[in-house]
Amino acid sequence: AQSVTQPDIHITVSEGASLELRCNYSYGATPYLFWYVQSPGQGLQLLLKYFSGDTLVQGIKGFEAEFKRSQSSFNLRKPSVHWSDAAEYFCAVVHYSGGGADGLTFGKGTHLIIQP
Amino acid sequence: DTGVSQDPRHKITKRGQNVTFRCDPISEHNRLYWYRQTLGQGPEFLTYFQNEAQLEKSRLLSDRFSAERPKGSFSTLEIQRTEQGDSAMYLCASSSGLAGGSDTQYFGPGTRLTVL
Repeated sequence: AQSVTQPDIHITVSEGASLELRCNYSYGATPYLFWYVQSPGQGLQLLLKYFSGDTLVQGIKGFEAEFKRSQSSFNLRKPSVHWSDAAEYFCAVVHYSGGGADGLTFGKGTHLIIQP
Repeated sequence: DTGVSQDPRHKITKRGQNVTFRCDPISEHNRLYWYRQTLGQGPEFLTYFQNEAQLEKSRLLSDRFSAERPKGSFSTLEIQRTEQGDSAMYLCASSSGLAGGSDTQYFGPGTRLTVL
């Protein structure tokens, strides 16, 4: 079964500093991978996704992620964070059953805190 | 495109009561998903529909849970004989269904259920 691990429950970063959020997945074939952000009172918003091709994926709000098959990782990065980036970040992989692609399997999330 | 909407946004009920939630997907989206999110966790897949057909159900979806999408448009999720363990945020998402596993799922704001 597919699974996602986000090793860091909380991360604190100073405003303007760079950011990397870790995500490791478990899946035998090439996975479809997603990063979502959830702000308080807001729905989940897609930041970016990977399904094939270039392993460096650009997303919205200045985020990017790199797919590394050898490390089973899909880490999210941003060169300079803003206070508005404080939120919960979720990595997810498409779940497959006998009928094909179903829903998403999410990690437990990383809570990002921005220090002024 | 008005996004995915869910109603109600909040529901407080007493243990043993039945509750029903509604989800309106993005217009013309064929796929509709239900997830449950408890505090400090990532969303967990419950079930999904391709048009009006319910194609997959998670083992998390006990017999007390039932979901419908009668005309392939809006969907309802009913929980019978609610238990305190059902307290969670119930999220709905929709996707076009055209790109298979790489489809982007668009999430609604969720319905927060509190069972007293």
